Amino acid sequence: EVQLVQSGAEVKKPGESLKISCEASGYIFTSHWIGWVRQMPGKGLEWMGIIYPGDSDTRYSPSFQGQVTISADKSIRTAYLQWSSLRASDNAMYYCVRLTSSSPRHYWGQGTLVIVSS
Amino acid sequence: DIQMSQSPSSLAASVGDRVSITCQASQDISNYVNWYQQKAGQAPKLLIYDASNLEIGVPLRFSGGGYGTDFTFTISSLQPEDIATYYCQQYHNLPHTFGQGTKLEIK
Repeated sequence: EVQLVQSGAEVKKPGESLKISCEASGYIFTSHWIGWVRQMPGKGLEWMGIIYPGDSDTRYSPSFQGQVTISADKSIRTAYLQWSSLRASDNAMYYCVRLTSSSPRHYWGQGTLVIVSS
Repeated sequence: DIQMSQSPSSLAASVGDRVSITCQASQDISNYVNWYQQKAGQAPKLLIYDASNLEIGVPLRFSGGGYGTDFTFTISSLQPEDIATYYCQQYHNLPHTFGQGTKLEIK
């Protein structure tokens, strides 16, 4: 069974750094893309970027290029989303999603809530 | 990236009404469309894949159609438990972009 288990909720101050994680199980980690989706309070679903753990090919949506870093550690089957300096506008729920090119099947993590407040 | 234009952004209807949502892709995406339901505090749930195929366990009042650039999602008889936000998604090209969402409410 494919499972994506995300790290827990975070409360941070503006300017702080943060790295959240997504641990995968139940499939060959290096053979499928993992992406990150942002959902701001009361808003829709936005792709931030995707990574192919097999070769670390990483693609960012234009709105998020330079704002976050997506990475993956094959040895522990975990993908990451990190910020070097958080802003209040980063308040959101973040989902990791396993996706396969041209396939309808997407597997979602449970979400990680990030609260940024002074 | 492929843009998915979804409408309306919100919709109020009565129990028993037929409700439809549309999604238009910025380029031909064949039938590579999913429809999701998202309830408050939950991750999205897949209802329809390949534009018109019902996911296992999803009630028959949900349906989808379309091909190329224009797609439709329909609830044939709205039930109180259908209150949620609905999203279309294309998976023709990476990243698998979403529509803006339709928030469905009961009148």
